[in-house]
Amino acid sequence: EVQLVESGGGLVKPGGSLRLSCSGSGFIFSRYSMNWVRQAPGKGLEWVSSIRWNSDNLYYADSVKGRFSISRDNTKSSLYLQMYSLRPEDTAVYYCARDRVPGAGGPHDAFDVWGRGTMVTVSS
Amino acid sequence: DIVMTQSPLSLPVTPGEPASISCRSSQSLLRSNGYNYLDWYVQKPGQSPQLLIYLVSTRASGVPDRFSGSGSGTDFTLKISRVEAEDVGVYYCMQSLQTPPAFGQGTKLEIK
Repeated sequence: EVQLVESGGGLVKPGGSLRLSCSGSGFIFSRYSMNWVRQAPGKGLEWVSSIRWNSDNLYYADSVKGRFSISRDNTKSSLYLQMYSLRPEDTAVYYCARDRVPGAGGPHDAFDVWGRGTMVTVSS
Repeated sequence: DIVMTQSPLSLPVTPGEPASISCRSSQSLLRSNGYNYLDWYVQKPGQSPQLLIYLVSTRASGVPDRFSGSGSGTDFTLKISRVEAEDVGVYYCMQSLQTPPAFGQGTKLEIK
């Protein structure tokens, strides 16, 4: 079964840091570009960051650029999101999502597999 | 950045009746390969989002054929031919043409 499982969420104070992880299984992780998408409580979906299958290109939303860092370890079938200088407005469920097409040529694609998400709460 | 605008934001529907959601982009979503990079997702209550339709009109695996997508350029539509109770949720369009990928605000479909 194709599956993504996020972990690492929690409560953190403003200005703090947190590292999210996403573990993939049931597919050849190294062939797919991966993404983070977040959803603030009661709000819609917001794309956060993407990383190509071979890590040659990284993409960030303006709202997190300079504060968040995406990375992956294909040997561990894992995706990461290192978050620094966290703000209350970063409070959200963070989803890991897979691009539909392996090794796709464009920067982005539809997200065909999603994890269940991990909650990040930034509050004093 | 491309801005995605959905309407309506709330959609009460009687079971068995059709439903339609509109999605407009601030720029054309047509790539040089001839495809429009517009996708539809649904987030059912308490669940993660799931892919419904990609490249305007191709249903994702397991999606019933009562769901259909159409459109080109900047105007797109998701149609449900006969709404069922299990279709309740929030529907989002998303452009995957360029960075940043952008979602519409979401349309909440509820059963009358």
